[in-house]
Amino acid sequence: NAGVTQTPKFQVLKTGQSMTLQCAQDMNHNSMYWYRQDPGMGLRLIYYSASEGTTDKGEVPNGYNVSRLNKREFSLRLESAAPSQTSVYFCASSEMGTPSVAFFGQGTRLTVV
Amino acid sequence: TQLLEQSPQFLSIQEGENLTVYCNSSSVFSSLQWYRQEPGEGPVLLVTVVTGGEVKKLKRLTFQFGDARKDSSLHITAAQPGDTGLYLCAGARAGTALIFGKGTTLSVSS
Repeated sequence: NAGVTQTPKFQVLKTGQSMTLQCAQDMNHNSMYWYRQDPGMGLRLIYYSASEGTTDKGEVPNGYNVSRLNKREFSLRLESAAPSQTSVYFCASSEMGTPSVAFFGQGTRLTVV
Repeated sequence: TQLLEQSPQFLSIQEGENLTVYCNSSSVFSSLQWYRQEPGEGPVLLVTVVTGGEVKKLKRLTFQFGDARKDSSLHITAAQPGDTGLYLCAGARAGTALIFGKGTTLSVSS
């Protein structure tokens, strides 16, 4: 089982460039999430999608957009990258209900220069 | 506002020592989870605690959920170098995404 797959694993962007981070899960989960992880800051929620067709802002949504393409795929787009968006990005999925256990991808390490 | 406070932030110990990591909040959670993350990887679930006062054991790791479901602790007995990693607690509430603490970086040297 692949679980949660993120692409790309590494990316370097110039300030102002745009890019889309892709995420797909094969566990038939309803909910999907995008987090960013910075040193000393833990995991901070950017956006999440509780179910297909819905998306909601998390703690740090500014500068990002998301698309829940279908039940399997949830993409994160940076329209105009800034150095402050240099981070490691994690996609996760979970099934609804309590407890809601998250399964994570391996992350995308993004550097904006 | 950090809803989940983890302490300590860093811990460096010798093999064989015991340690406890704390996860505290002023909010009530329906469940609390502990994840472990190794460099270059995503977090992986260790355990979920659901009931106030619940204690779960995973080999040398003991997890406890506070009676009021606002806090949790992770105790490791006789730490080994393989325990090295980032330990994250995460709180779940109905209808919302998981909220993570900032993590505890554990280094166990032989």
